[in-house]
Amino acid sequence: DIVMTQSPDSLAVSLGERATVNCKSSQSLLYLSNNKNYLGWYQQKPGQPPKLLIYWASTRESGVPDRFSGSGSGTDFTLTISSLQAEDVAVYYCQQYYDTPLTFGQGTKVEIK
Amino acid sequence: QVQLVQSGAEVKKPGASVKVSCKASGYTFSTSAMHWVRQAPGQRPEWMGWINAGSGNTKYSQKFQGRLTIARDTSASTVYMELSSLMSEDTATYFCGRSGGGPWGPSDYSDYWGQGTRVTVSS
Repeated sequence: DIVMTQSPDSLAVSLGERATVNCKSSQSLLYLSNNKNYLGWYQQKPGQPPKLLIYWASTRESGVPDRFSGSGSGTDFTLTISSLQAEDVAVYYCQQYYDTPLTFGQGTKVEIK
Repeated sequence: QVQLVQSGAEVKKPGASVKVSCKASGYTFSTSAMHWVRQAPGQRPEWMGWINAGSGNTKYSQKFQGRLTIARDTSASTVYMELSSLMSEDTATYFCGRSGGGPWGPSDYSDYWGQGTRVTVSS
């Protein structure tokens, strides 16, 4: 199975400041035939299902604010919230869908400092 | 708009089976696919399996092979997840999630999710 490891486990950021979440996979998620990274980012608030933010490592889902962006390739990926808002307090997960079983990172809890 | 509505919470005894439904609306069900993911309290989500809603083809995580059945009823636009031989470790919230890229295979993200179904396994 592909192991997904996120860092940090939690972070506290001031309102309006940048938040960065990292995700590392145990093998490359880049499929060479289509040059796509099979990596998604989700936001989850308590009592709610995950919400898709980013897919193909850097494509923002429709309706997601542009302060959310994804980057990276191969085995190292980053989710950036450029200017943290109060409603962004949540747990963020990366997920690889390169191979089954699909696997998630352990999550990063983002809070307001 | 796309909606996935799941069945209600369940309490089961060890050794029993549970069947959770996920009714889809707002898109063409037969040209889509669905993942099932579960999440134990305080844990990361865990992928269980996937079904092509048109063909009925399935792919299961090896972890659940032999205990998990995912099926669909195209006339009701509903996908079902049945887990048997329940253990206390199966206590979790179970989610369905639509395959965002279409029905081509399980290597896909989930763009819409059901609200979750809490399953408690306790004697």
